[in-house]
Amino acid sequence: QVRLVQSGAEVKKPGASVKVSCKASGYTFTNYGISWVRQAPGQGPEWMGWISASNGNRNYVQKFQDRVTMTIDTSTSTAYMEVGRLRSDDTAMYYCARDQPYSQITDAFDFWGQGTMVTVSS
Amino acid sequence: QLVLTQSPSASASLGASVKLTCTLSSGHISYAIAWHQQQPEKGPRYLMKVNSDGSHTKGDGTPDRFSGSSSGAERYLTISSLQSEDEADYYCQTWGTGIRVFGGGTKLTVL
Repeated sequence: QVRLVQSGAEVKKPGASVKVSCKASGYTFTNYGISWVRQAPGQGPEWMGWISASNGNRNYVQKFQDRVTMTIDTSTSTAYMEVGRLRSDDTAMYYCARDQPYSQITDAFDFWGQGTMVTVSS
Repeated sequence: QLVLTQSPSASASLGASVKLTCTLSSGHISYAIAWHQQQPEKGPRYLMKVNSDGSHTKGDGTPDRFSGSSSGAERYLTISSLQSEDEADYYCQTWGTGIRVFGGGTKLTVL
């Protein structure tokens, strides 16, 4: 069965960076992409961007463009997202979700990771 | 601009039915959407995709009590025979080239 398993909770100081992983199993990793979504406490989901596991192409939401880096390791079927220059308002649950492999093909997120809580506090 | 609008809250009694609505912005009424359920203290779970013609494709494990439909710019999620575990936040989601959008969510209370 399809599974996306994320890394554990993180506590970071303002200005630091955090790298969250998302290990996929149960499907051919390179036939899909991964989107990253965050959810601040009490808020709805917010899409951060997408990366193709097929060719490594990326698309970041503009507000995150200068602080977020998404990468893929096809040898371990793992996606990573690094967020730099953390601020207190980056405190949120971060989720990965299975997406489509090419930017011109779009569809629903059909599987989600369990989430990684990132707390930014001095 | 691609926007999804949902009512913030809904309620219905145990065993009854409820219909949640997600409205697409003007100019985007042909878009498909997906419904995701988020139970308290859990991550989102994909329920189904609903197309503009009302056809829908359910995710693995989505109970038969859940169904989808469409009318114009509106996409619906109907839950019948409500159970206590249906009490959750329900988010609709849509997509296009270079964009993924979520609605604000509907908090469903089962009375």
